[in-house]
Amino acid sequence: TQLLEQSPQFLSIQEGENLTVYCNSSSVFSSLQWYRQEPGEGPVLLVTVVTGGEVKKLKRLTFQFGDARKDSSLHITAAQPGDTGLYLCAGVTYTGNQFYFGTGTSLTVIP
Amino acid sequence: NAGVTQTPKFQVLKTGQSMTLQCAQDMNHNSMYWYRQDPGMGLRLIYYSASEGTTDKGEVPNGYNVSRLNKREFSLRLESAAPSQTSVYFCASSELWQPQHFGDGTRLSIL
Repeated sequence: TQLLEQSPQFLSIQEGENLTVYCNSSSVFSSLQWYRQEPGEGPVLLVTVVTGGEVKKLKRLTFQFGDARKDSSLHITAAQPGDTGLYLCAGVTYTGNQFYFGTGTSLTVIP
Repeated sequence: NAGVTQTPKFQVLKTGQSMTLQCAQDMNHNSMYWYRQDPGMGLRLIYYSASEGTTDKGEVPNGYNVSRLNKREFSLRLESAAPSQTSVYFCASSELWQPQHFGDGTRLSIL
């Protein structure tokens, strides 16, 4: 059983469209991280959200941490082909040394 | 600028063979991790080492052993490989609550 569930699992959209990826759990985390992974490489950190209700923006990407620190969302505005990749959320435990990864969302942006 | 280095990058084994996956980091991180990545299941933690001299089981430890050789190196051993262990294996390192830095993975096929 995955501690963190992501939806959707696959997403294929046209360039310029908007999209939202969800990361949900029944567990509370000290913080939540979002990573992007490209084929043949390891995941690379995009952002960390720490405070319940926090919203962070990274250019066209907006990340939100749920008030109860159990869920998070990633919204991409005007998607571009360079956004194509596997997006992973990861919850960090209060001990600080355990990370639980979500099931992943594979995004394809078609030019 | 190496970060986390994993060897080998690819390996094919026969059922019952043994092998060791190597991982080294040059960021002086205390914590190191081994994950496996399978389609639709994100990253699942096999073992982690919070500091030199300690190791702990993760979500899917059966069939694996680890050694934290020193602060830099953390190896993963398959004593008797099984087809169910066909996967992509990632090593990562971090400090408490900080983002994880990943290697580029080892693609392992067991026939």
